[in-house]
Amino acid sequence: DVKVTQSSRYLVKRTGEKVFLECVQDMDHENMFWYRQDPGLGLRLIYFSYDVKMKEKGDIPEGYSVSREKKERFSLILESASTNQTSMYLCASRVGGTETQYFGPGTRLLVL
Amino acid sequence: QKEVEQNSGPLSVPEGAIASLNCTYSDRGSQSFFWYRQYSGKSPELIMFIYSNGDKEDGRFTAQLNKASQYVSLLIRDSQPSDSATYLCAVPGGSARQLTFGSGTQLTVLP
Repeated sequence: DVKVTQSSRYLVKRTGEKVFLECVQDMDHENMFWYRQDPGLGLRLIYFSYDVKMKEKGDIPEGYSVSREKKERFSLILESASTNQTSMYLCASRVGGTETQYFGPGTRLLVL
Repeated sequence: QKEVEQNSGPLSVPEGAIASLNCTYSDRGSQSFFWYRQYSGKSPELIMFIYSNGDKEDGRFTAQLNKASQYVSLLIRDSQPSDSATYLCAVPGGSARQLTFGSGTQLTVLP
């Protein structure tokens, strides 16, 4: 079974803090994704990565950065958290060249 | 026009009935379509995908694809209260064939 894990299920941070969200997959998948999900807006792609050290912006990259130093790990960084980044963050991975994505459990982030 | 559109619902059906969930997409070149189920507070999980016109069955679930009408649906037979969830339709697109999701249809199966 594909297993995608995320470092925290719930996180509370203050405005202006630097926030790290970690995602790890154990299936040697080349591609990894970060989404955020908000009521009424659905899932929106923030960043994705083809492979180690490779990244591409998604639909809403502003205010976020990513890091992929190892194949199994994809980190999402909020450089200076703001209240409008309060959301559910979902990580996903897939085998390169395929389309089926597998999701982690999600991190619900609250920025005060 | 959104790339993937779904009726947000909520859709309520009695236990044992057939639930029908619908999705339309704008890119006529789309070749594959995915259905995910998401329970409240949880992450999406893949139910099934379909590539070819017609029907694809997996247990109580049937996906139906009509490329001419740019329409894909998910039927759930013998609906159970445990099927109560939000169902997301997704279509690959973009440079990385990343999935574009509809906003989801919330289904409630009443005991």
